[in-house]
Amino acid sequence: QQPVQSPQAVILREGEDAVINCSSSKALYSVHWYRQKHGEAPVFLMILLKGGEQKGHDKISASFNEKKQQSSLYLTASQLSYSGTYFCGTEGSGTSYGKLTFGQGTILTVHP
Amino acid sequence: GAVVSQHPSWVICKSGTSVKIECRSLDFQATTMFWYRQFPKQSLMLMATSNEGSKATYEQGVEKDKFLINHASLTLSTLTVTSAHPEDSSFYICSAQTGYRSRTYEQYFGPGTRLTVT
Repeated sequence: QQPVQSPQAVILREGEDAVINCSSSKALYSVHWYRQKHGEAPVFLMILLKGGEQKGHDKISASFNEKKQQSSLYLTASQLSYSGTYFCGTEGSGTSYGKLTFGQGTILTVHP
Repeated sequence: GAVVSQHPSWVICKSGTSVKIECRSLDFQATTMFWYRQFPKQSLMLMATSNEGSKATYEQGVEKDKFLINHASLTLSTLTVTSAHPEDSSFYICSAQTGYRSRTYEQYFGPGTRLTVT
């Protein structure tokens, strides 16, 4: 079952922060985050594993709450280059290794 | 970093013909590759899982006789769309998984192939 992302779209000015949420109805083993620009392939951002962890690099970080089956992606001090569609991909517990189900995407637009 | 290439990046073909799309992992070995399709402004839908040396596993609703997948080596998987029809027009993207059956893997995507069937 497809995870649900919120919000569907968000518009920011450079330097503002944003949070994108990903929620699943089934038990998860891992959550993967990707950013896709128009006409291009998704670019890997990070993976979070079961155990409830947080990760981050530069000004992008994420958390994973396995009990709530939710993950959040945090974008701080946004830059123009952050614009794109963000997808979370979830891997359920017990499924085949690597098989991801993607959310519908969150369109992020950063203006100068 | 891990690089995945796809060829061709863009193809137009006539209805009824077949099209082959190649997916290569350039700097790592990928025992598992995945094939997705993406319609405009929609999410990625997994079509099949391709394992080196074995038959591909198709998702429900994906016709295995229409979308032939071959994973001939640790760096190459191919998707052949047979007897293509206009409704097969889409953006096809492959991804390759680092590591072998490891859940601490990362999955890298190729640049995608845009198929238009006229």
